[in-house]
Amino acid sequence: EVQLVESGGGLVQPGGSLRLSCVGSGFTFRSYEMNWVRQAPGKGLEWVSYISSSGGTIYYADSVKGRFTISRDNAESSLYLQMNSLRAEDTAVYFCAFIGPYDFSGFYSLGKWGQGTLVTVSS
Amino acid sequence: QSALTQPRSVSGSPGQSVTISCTGTSSDVGGYNFVSWYQQHPGKAPRLMIYDVSKWPSGVPDRFSGSKSGNTAYLTISGLQAEDEADYYCCSYGGTYWVFGGGTKVTVL
Repeated sequence: EVQLVESGGGLVQPGGSLRLSCVGSGFTFRSYEMNWVRQAPGKGLEWVSYISSSGGTIYYADSVKGRFTISRDNAESSLYLQMNSLRAEDTAVYFCAFIGPYDFSGFYSLGKWGQGTLVTVSS
Repeated sequence: QSALTQPRSVSGSPGQSVTISCTGTSSDVGGYNFVSWYQQHPGKAPRLMIYDVSKWPSGVPDRFSGSKSGNTAYLTISGLQAEDEADYYCCSYGGTYWVFGGGTKVTVL
């Protein structure tokens, strides 16, 4: 079974840091482009960041650029999001999701999502 | 990277059709045929329903259909069923980013 499992969420003070992880199983992780998407409580989805299968191409939303860093370890089938200088508006459930399989979702859509991990930024 | 514009809510009776609009710009919706739609039930992860404007992932009923005209994309749900009651989000690729709509709550009356 294809699975994405996020972890690392929790309560952090404004200005603090947190590192999220997403472990993939049941598929060839190194072949898939990965994304982070977040959802503030009671709000809509917001794309956060993208990383190519090799890690060579990375994109960020303007709202997190310069504060968040996406990375991956294909040997460990893991995706990461290092979040620094956290703000109250970063409070959200953070989902990891992959693009593909290409015959299922094309090359630009998110075919599989994890269940998310909650990040709360508050003093 | 401004959010795409969707109506906050739409509703319909079982068996009816509803259409959700999703308006962006020439930099995203109008510039690429890479609009996708996601269904999200409360407390659940989003599920891909339509990709590349009008294509179905396997397992998605063909009651769901997508289209696009200019900077606006549309999701139509035909033959509305109780289980279709959920939030729906459009999403467009924009070259170096993806952008979601604010979401539309579909209510089955």
